[in-house]
Amino acid sequence: EVQLLESGGGLVQPGGSLRLSCKFSGLTFDNFAFGWVRQAPGKGLDWVSAINPGGDFTPHADSVKGRFTMSRDNSKNTLYLQMDGLRTEDTAIYYCAKDLPGSGWSFDSWGQGTLVTVSS
Amino acid sequence: QSALTQPPSASGSPGQSVTISCSGTSSDVGGYNFVSWYQQHPGKAPKLMIYEVNKRPSGVPDRFSGSKSGNTASLTVSGLQTEDEADYYCSSYGGINNLKVFGTGTKVTVL
Repeated sequence: EVQLLESGGGLVQPGGSLRLSCKFSGLTFDNFAFGWVRQAPGKGLDWVSAINPGGDFTPHADSVKGRFTMSRDNSKNTLYLQMDGLRTEDTAIYYCAKDLPGSGWSFDSWGQGTLVTVSS
Repeated sequence: QSALTQPPSASGSPGQSVTISCSGTSSDVGGYNFVSWYQQHPGKAPKLMIYEVNKRPSGVPDRFSGSKSGNTASLTVSGLQTEDEADYYCSSYGGINNLKVFGTGTKVTVL
């Protein structure tokens, strides 16, 4: 069974930085692509970023481009989301998710989410 | 990156069917057969229910079905059960620069 465990969320001031981690177990990590999706309180889902198995394709949503960077360490079965220049509108639960290969970026396994609060 | 348009709410009695629409453009829903649907219960992570317009992951009941016509996709839940009460989000591949677009979400209530 695939398991995903996010960590790294918390309270940060506007302009600050955080690094989220997502550790996977139960699969051959480097065979798969992954993504981050966020959900602001009481709002809908919002795609943030994605990464291919090799780590050389990392598209990001326009709303975070230039501020957030997704990466992976295949030796540690772990994804990362480096978030710099945080804004109040980045406040959300951040989910990491596994891509279903060949499905056009459908995510078939999700973590429990980690809450990021950007506030002064 | 405009969100796909869904009705805010839908409802039905147990045993009935409910259909949720998801309206996009030729750059997302209409341009690719990569529409997916997610179910989300309060306080829980989303769950994939449909991918590639009409395919169901293992373990998803066949009461859930998907379709697409032009720029609009639909999710139908037949034989409604109380556990189907949740928020539902559509999503589509939107091309290499707009990889994944989500819908606005629909709250399904089982009366």
